[in-house]
Amino acid sequence: DGGITQSPKYLFRKEGQNVTLSCEQNLNHDAMYWYRQDPGQGLRLIYYSQIVNDFQKGDIAEGYSVSREKKESFPLTVTSAQKNPTAFYLCASSLTKYNEQFFGPGTRLTVL
Amino acid sequence: GENVEQHPSTLSVQEGDSAVIKCTYSDSASNYFPWYKQELGKRPQLIIDIRSNVGEKKDQRIAVTLNKTAKHFSLHITETQPEDSAVYFCAASKGGTYKYIFGTGTRLKVLA
Repeated sequence: DGGITQSPKYLFRKEGQNVTLSCEQNLNHDAMYWYRQDPGQGLRLIYYSQIVNDFQKGDIAEGYSVSREKKESFPLTVTSAQKNPTAFYLCASSLTKYNEQFFGPGTRLTVL
Repeated sequence: GENVEQHPSTLSVQEGDSAVIKCTYSDSASNYFPWYKQELGKRPQLIIDIRSNVGEKKDQRIAVTLNKTAKHFSLHITETQPEDSAVYFCAASKGGTYKYIFGTGTRLKVLA
């Protein structure tokens, strides 16, 4: 299970605030991903990055932003523009975009 | 658009019995099919995967079968144990791309 960490495990935010979720990996993986998981639904891709200093929007990027300044790190910012931010957020990484994805432990975000 | 349908949404079996979960994908160009197991509040973990050049793959009590003509693939768990209780997700992707399309998950309960 090790190699990909996310923090914090639980996060509470007031409406109108931006919040940043951390994702770090020490697997030397090039590609990293952010997914959102809602009850009864599959995982939906928010953003992905194939390599440092590059990232692309996924299916539900509106209201989110990312950066990839270091290979090990891919933080996700949930902005106030995201209408329904309460969800379980999962970060994943893969050696390259051609390889299987491995997930971090997740961050549960609740907007109060 | 691309879609993966997964059935059933919930499945209860007696310990020792077999469990089968089925997924159907829409994009005929899909050629990689991973299965993830997610225990409550934890990260999804890859348990088995199959590529389109094979029809079946086994790993101890777990097997996956693929029917490319019908565009469906299935997870088979034999001799189920209580620790198999979890949510199982299937996914489909096209080779050379980042994008996994996930099913909506199956909650498996193994009754002792």
